[in-house]
Amino acid sequence: AQSVTQPDIHITVSEGASLELRCNYSYGATPYLFWYVQSPGQGLQLLLKYFSGDTLVQGIKGFEAEFKRSQSSFNLRKPSVHWSDAAEYFCAVGPLGGAAGNKLTFGGGTRVLVKP
Amino acid sequence: KAGVTQTPRYLIKTRGQQVTLSCSPISGHRSVSWYQQTPGQGLQFLFEYFSETQRNKGNFPGRFSGRQFSNSRSEMNVSTLELGDSALYLCASSRSDRVSLETQYFGPGTRLLVL
Repeated sequence: AQSVTQPDIHITVSEGASLELRCNYSYGATPYLFWYVQSPGQGLQLLLKYFSGDTLVQGIKGFEAEFKRSQSSFNLRKPSVHWSDAAEYFCAVGPLGGAAGNKLTFGGGTRVLVKP
Repeated sequence: KAGVTQTPRYLIKTRGQQVTLSCSPISGHRSVSWYQQTPGQGLQFLFEYFSETQRNKGNFPGRFSGRQFSNSRSEMNVSTLELGDSALYLCASSRSDRVSLETQYFGPGTRLLVL
């Protein structure tokens, strides 16, 4: 069965500092990979996605993620965090091998707190 | 353009009752998926509809059901509510039935509290 692990439940960073959120998946093949953000009381917003090609993916709000096949990881990074980045971040995978469907399997999420 | 709309936004029910939640996708989107979000279980897939057909179903009991109408609006129903059904229910819509082709957009969710 597909599984996604986000090892860090909470992360606290100072405003202006860099941020890295970890995500690991367990599959035989490379799945479609996503990062979503959820602000309090809001739905999920897509930050970026990876399907194939360049392993460094740029997203919205200054975020980027790097796919590392050897480590089965898809970590999210931001060089300089703003107070508005305080939210919960979810890594997700989609169906394997280009199969039809929109089902996403989500990690447990990482809550980010930004200190002034 | 308008985003995904979910109604109602908040709902309080008692055990044993049933509830119907509604999701209106973005105009032109034919796919609607539903997720349950709880602190203990996280985000879990419920079901997915495309052009009125259920394409995929998650591992939930038969008390959870859904449907999609010809205008792509979707409803989900939970019968015989249990305390554990308290959750944020999110729906997402997409133009395509393949996540690799089109981005899914999520609604703000319906927060259900079962007392």
